[in-house]
Amino acid sequence: GAGVSQSPSNKVTEKGKDVELRCDPISGHTALYWYRQSLGQGLEFLIYFQGNSAPDKSGLPSDRFSAERTGGSVSTLTIQRTQQEDSAVYLCASSDFAGGTITGELFFGEGSRLTVL
Amino acid sequence: GQNIDQPTEMTATEGAIVQINCTYQTSGFNGLFWYQQHAGEAPTFLSYNVLDGLEEKGRFSSFLSRSKGYSYLLLKELQMKDSASYLCAVLNDYKLSFGAGTTVTVRA
Repeated sequence: GAGVSQSPSNKVTEKGKDVELRCDPISGHTALYWYRQSLGQGLEFLIYFQGNSAPDKSGLPSDRFSAERTGGSVSTLTIQRTQQEDSAVYLCASSDFAGGTITGELFFGEGSRLTVL
Repeated sequence: GQNIDQPTEMTATEGAIVQINCTYQTSGFNGLFWYQQHAGEAPTFLSYNVLDGLEEKGRFSSFLSRSKGYSYLLLKELQMKDSASYLCAVLNDYKLSFGAGTTVTVRA
């Protein structure tokens, strides 16, 4: 696609429910990232994919959080047994990658706003 | 670890100039990015510095000193639409780490 696409744009759920957030990166971008942004806060790194592999999951807050990527394209971030502190905007970004680093800017999606009641 | 500091808020008048400073202490460095983020929207790319010096792009310029761990974003001829959050981010290999952002408010 022309840009990074995320769905849903808004999700309201009850505490304890599971949620899935989807990201469609820019076609051909091998690097994919998930970030979390709480109200008035900066972007918090969650996980990085290179192709379908996730060499860095160090930012996932707990074992309730998991993510996968298939076909070197679409990624899904899953939050199990959601808690109120999980409420935030979840941003996905993708980029070209070569020589051990990204070769340009990160392109961000519009984000998925999660509200846990 | 990564430590990226920038001021929380700045206010300036339409037509004026504002300089947003960013200092960083990181375990590695492959470049420094500035992003703009309007409320409720995705961050959008403004500039990228990998070598020391000033990069100018229209009304926006970005400066980098790697030896000092310091960068600034200069916004000239401020317009109301420049009211936004400006994010400083340091690239280390594959990972882009962000500061908390500086909210710039432009007043008429």
